[in-house]
Amino acid sequence: AQSVAQPEDQVNVAEGNPLTVKCTYSVSGNPYLFWYVQYPNRGLQFLLKYITGDNLVKGSYGFEAEFNKSQTSFHLKKPSALVSDSALYFCAQGSGSARQLTFGSGTQLTVLP
Amino acid sequence: AAGVIQSPRHLIKEKRETATLKCYPIPRHDTVYWYQQGPGQDPQFLISFYEKMQSDKGSIPDRFSAQQFSDYHSELNMSSLELGDSALYFCASSLERSGTDTQYFGPGTRLTVL
Repeated sequence: AQSVAQPEDQVNVAEGNPLTVKCTYSVSGNPYLFWYVQYPNRGLQFLLKYITGDNLVKGSYGFEAEFNKSQTSFHLKKPSALVSDSALYFCAQGSGSARQLTFGSGTQLTVLP
Repeated sequence: AAGVIQSPRHLIKEKRETATLKCYPIPRHDTVYWYQQGPGQDPQFLISFYEKMQSDKGSIPDRFSAQQFSDYHSELNMSSLELGDSALYFCASSLERSGTDTQYFGPGTRLTVL
């Protein structure tokens, strides 16, 4: 069974500094990887995905993620954090045969003014 | 752009009662997924439908059932509710049967079982 790990429950970063939210995935064929963000009492908003192609994926709101096959990682990054980026971030893996997403445990990002 | 619509947004039920959650996918999306997110937990996949047929089944209790209708909306029926069923229930939709397609999530239905 596939699994997704987000090793950090909480990440704090100062506004204007670069941010990284880590994610590693289990190897199961071709990994289809996603990042979602969840604001309090809201649904999950899609940020970006990796299917194939360039290892650096650009998404919404200035976020990007780097796919690293050798390290089985898909870390989320942003060059300059905003206070409004503070939210819960989920990494997810989808398989080509099953249609379900397997989510990581989530990382609470807090951007300090 | 139109998004996934879920109703009701909030629902309070007593133990052993039944509940029905509704989901209206993004127009032209043919696939619907249901997830359950307990307090402080990540979303867990329950069930999905493609072209009105059940396609995948996850950790959905036998007390729950779901279906997708001819207009592609979906309903999650929950019976004999238990306290542990209190959670946020998300519906997501996507276009075409593929694990690569992006699932777009609705705002969720918060179910509280008393």
